[in-house]
Amino acid sequence: AQSVTQPDIHITVSEGASLELRCNYSYGATPYLFWYVQSPGQGLQLLLKYFSGDTLVQGIKGFEAEFKRSQSSFNLRKPSVHWSDAAEYFCAVGRNSGNTPLVFGKGTRLSVIA
Amino acid sequence: GAVVSQHPSWVICKSGTSVKIECRSLDFQATTMFWYRQFPKQSLMLMATSNEGSKATYEQGVEKDKFLINHASLTLSTLTVTSAHPEDSSFYICSARGPGRSYEQYFGPGTRLTVT
Repeated sequence: AQSVTQPDIHITVSEGASLELRCNYSYGATPYLFWYVQSPGQGLQLLLKYFSGDTLVQGIKGFEAEFKRSQSSFNLRKPSVHWSDAAEYFCAVGRNSGNTPLVFGKGTRLSVIA
Repeated sequence: GAVVSQHPSWVICKSGTSVKIECRSLDFQATTMFWYRQFPKQSLMLMATSNEGSKATYEQGVEKDKFLINHASLTLSTLTVTSAHPEDSSFYICSARGPGRSYEQYFGPGTRLTVT
C-alpha cells in the first residue's frame, strides 16, 4: 500500500533562512508527487507537483522540490523563508488512475520567527 | 481554471439535525470527487470517493448512512451529515478530478461544521 511519511511534525526557522521539509513515500510504481500548503482554517493550495521528466520541480512562492527515486524522497525547499510562509505543509502521492485518491502525509507545521 | 467551490464555508447546527455541504467544479467536469475530513492539527482523512451517476465508495470506518454522498452531475457532489452530533464537528474538504486531468486533484476551500 502506498504511504507518505513526513518525519518532522513541527519546524521553526528564522525569517530569511533556508528551509527543507522532508517527505518520503512508499509506492509500488512511479508515483505522482505533490506538495500542498494550508493556512489555518483554509483549504489546500498546490505548491508544486511531479509527474515525470526533470526531477527538480519549481513551484509557486519560490518553492522547489527534488524527486529522488533512489531515496524515495520528494523534499520541499525554499532558499529564503518569509514570515507569510508559516503554515501547514502536506506531501501527497497519487497515480494516474481515475478513482485513486491522493494519500497524504501527516503534515509539517512551519513556524517562522523574526 | 480548475476551480472547486464549497458551500457553505462554515455552518453551525444543532445536534440531531442534518447538514448538506455542496462541492462544485466551476470550470470543468469532474467524474470523480473525493470527500476528506480534517480534525484540528491533523492531516486529511479520506472519507469517500464519489463517482458521477453511481454510489459512493466509503472508506473503512465511515458510516455510509450517516454521511450521505450524492454525485448527481458532473459538476456537483453533495455530502449530507445526517443526525449530526458534536463529534461530527470537523473541517470537511472536497476535491475533484476531471476526465482530462485524471492525475490531479483540485481542492475546495473547505467547510467548517460545528455541531452544538
